[in-house]
Amino acid sequence: DVKVTQSSRYLVKRTGEKVFLECVQDMDHENMFWYRQDPGLGLRLIYFSYDVKMKEKGDIPEGYSVSREKKERFSLILESASTNQTSMYLCASSSYRGEKLFFGSGTQLSVL
Amino acid sequence: EDKVVQSPLSLVVHEGDTVTLNCSYEVTNFRSLLWYKQEKKAPTFLFMLTSSGIEKKSGRLSSILDKKELFSILNITATQTGDSAVYLCAVEALDSGYALNFGKGTSLLVTP
Repeated sequence: DVKVTQSSRYLVKRTGEKVFLECVQDMDHENMFWYRQDPGLGLRLIYFSYDVKMKEKGDIPEGYSVSREKKERFSLILESASTNQTSMYLCASSSYRGEKLFFGSGTQLSVL
Repeated sequence: EDKVVQSPLSLVVHEGDTVTLNCSYEVTNFRSLLWYKQEKKAPTFLFMLTSSGIEKKSGRLSSILDKKELFSILNITATQTGDSAVYLCAVEALDSGYALNFGKGTSLLVTP
């Protein structure tokens, strides 16, 4: 079974802190994605990557950056966390474009 | 403007009822539509639809796509309390670089 692992289930940070959310997949998938999920807004795409060292902006990239130095790892970075970035963050991967996504269990981030 | 619209946003039914969840979309260069079920954290894959008129079926769940009218339905027959979840519809298209664009989801509660 494909496993997508997010490093933290719950995270509490202070406004202005730099935050790293890590995601690792174990199935040699080409594509990796970061979404955030908020009540009433659904899942919104932040960034995605179709290859190592490549990244594409999603619908809401402002305030975020990403890093993909290795195929299996995709990191989401909040350079200076703000309270409006309090959310559930979901990482996902797929073997090729158009294939179904496999999701991690999510990280609930609270920025105080 | 939302490209993927799900309705209803929430639904409460009794065990044994049949439910129909709707998903309409408006995207450029549609490639596929996917349904996911989200109970706790990670969404889990249900169906992928690419061709019009071909029903996908898994047990009590079924789904069909109408590419002319730009919508899909997810049917659940003889509902059980274990079907309680948020059901997510996602569309893959050129608009989003072929990353999945999700609707807000339908929250289904099945009461005993």
